[in-house]
Amino acid sequence: AQSVTQLDSQVPVFEEAPVELRCNYSSSVSVYLFWYVQYPNQGLQLLLKYLSGSTLVKGINGFEAEFNKSQTSFHLRKPSVHISDTAEYFCAVRDAGGTSYGKLTFGQGTILTVHP
Amino acid sequence: ETGVTQTPRHLVMGMTNKKSLKCEQHLGHNAMYWYKQSAKKPLELMFVYSLEERVENNSVPSRFSPECPNSSHLFLHLHTLQPEDSALYLCASSQEIRGGGETQYFGPGTRLLVL
Repeated sequence: AQSVTQLDSQVPVFEEAPVELRCNYSSSVSVYLFWYVQYPNQGLQLLLKYLSGSTLVKGINGFEAEFNKSQTSFHLRKPSVHISDTAEYFCAVRDAGGTSYGKLTFGQGTILTVHP
Repeated sequence: ETGVTQTPRHLVMGMTNKKSLKCEQHLGHNAMYWYKQSAKKPLELMFVYSLEERVENNSVPSRFSPECPNSSHLFLHLHTLQPEDSALYLCASSQEIRGGGETQYFGPGTRLLVL
């Protein structure tokens, strides 16, 4: 079984400042890692995912994340945020063995609020 | 319509009512999912369907009854719900379930309030 911990429930930041949203996971098997974003009154949208290869993954809207296997982390970063990045961000993991019937295990979410 | 759509977007029901949530995906996917998103809790997977066959039931109470008549449509039938069932119910779809790395595409959700 897997578990995901998002270390910050809320992150306030000023516009054009850098931001890092932290995610740690626990698993006894290899995993795939995902970051989703949920804007108010909308469903979840994939930002980026790590499957294999380069540990630095680039996603949409200028976000990137780095997979660190030794620290079991997958932190999300953006060098300069915009007001429109205000949303809730979810980290998720999935068993890479393909036996978990598509089950994503989600963290509790981090609310990013960008202030002008 | 594109992507994954859900109706209704909002629903208020009493504990003795019966209602259904509908999800439709326009992406040609073979797998569909129901998730429950409650306040202060992580998203919980409820059901998974692959090619219209249920492959996972995540210990969900029987007052929630899913139905998948074809690969494009998914329903969640609700009856005798409890106030603690109030939540956002999200539908998702993906191309398959076995690959592991496939992206799940989510609908906007149905906000359910049980009185």
